[in-house]
Amino acid sequence: EPEVTQTPSHQVTQMGQEVILRCVPISNHLYFYWYRQILGQKVEFLVSFYNNEISEKSEIFDDQFSVERPDGSNFTLKIRSTKLEDSAMYFCASNLRSGSTGELFFGEGSRLTVL
Amino acid sequence: AQSVTQLGSHVSVSEGALVLLRCNYSSSVPPYLFWYVQYPNQGLQLLLKYTSAATLVKGINGFEAEFKKSETSFHLTKPSAHMSDAAEYFCAVSGGGSQGNLIFGKGTKLSVKP
Repeated sequence: EPEVTQTPSHQVTQMGQEVILRCVPISNHLYFYWYRQILGQKVEFLVSFYNNEISEKSEIFDDQFSVERPDGSNFTLKIRSTKLEDSAMYFCASNLRSGSTGELFFGEGSRLTVL
Repeated sequence: AQSVTQLGSHVSVSEGALVLLRCNYSSSVPPYLFWYVQYPNQGLQLLLKYTSAATLVKGINGFEAEFKKSETSFHLTKPSAHMSDAAEYFCAVSGGGSQGNLIFGKGTKLSVKP
């Protein structure tokens, strides 16, 4: 069964370092997302991406964050200069259809720990 | 703006007992509502969704949820819990923006005792 895959599963980094989290969405999906979950808190929407551009982003997704689909298969989230509060589980998701009734398919998450 | 409240961060039931996980939502427009499940060390998996068709929605693994507009609720139930149901469950509402902008609740961790 097709699935969304994420790497790395866990990354530890020093504050101020750049981090890239990678995702391979399901191959025929068109819409891509990043969510994050700080330990003990809600799963929060970060950004959605369609047709090679950001379609929507939350207030969390500031200038320190960027997304890219560099090669037609990978979908990456970059954090330029990590802060302690960026420590969280980051989930990638993808969707085939437009409209809010579409099911999101989530990856297993990448745990980021910023020291 | 949409929001979701899940009552109870942790629910414990005995195997074979009724499972009831509560979710209340707030939405200024007719909502789309979802329940996702997260098993340990896995991603979020869709259990079921309400998209303005039948108010009683059946999902995978014997779960169902009923949309009650008057109570702004979308509680998740299962008549008989199984050990394999132990997981974290998230209620979500569509955010009204681009599709996929889901607003999640804080999650309810379900434990099942033998």
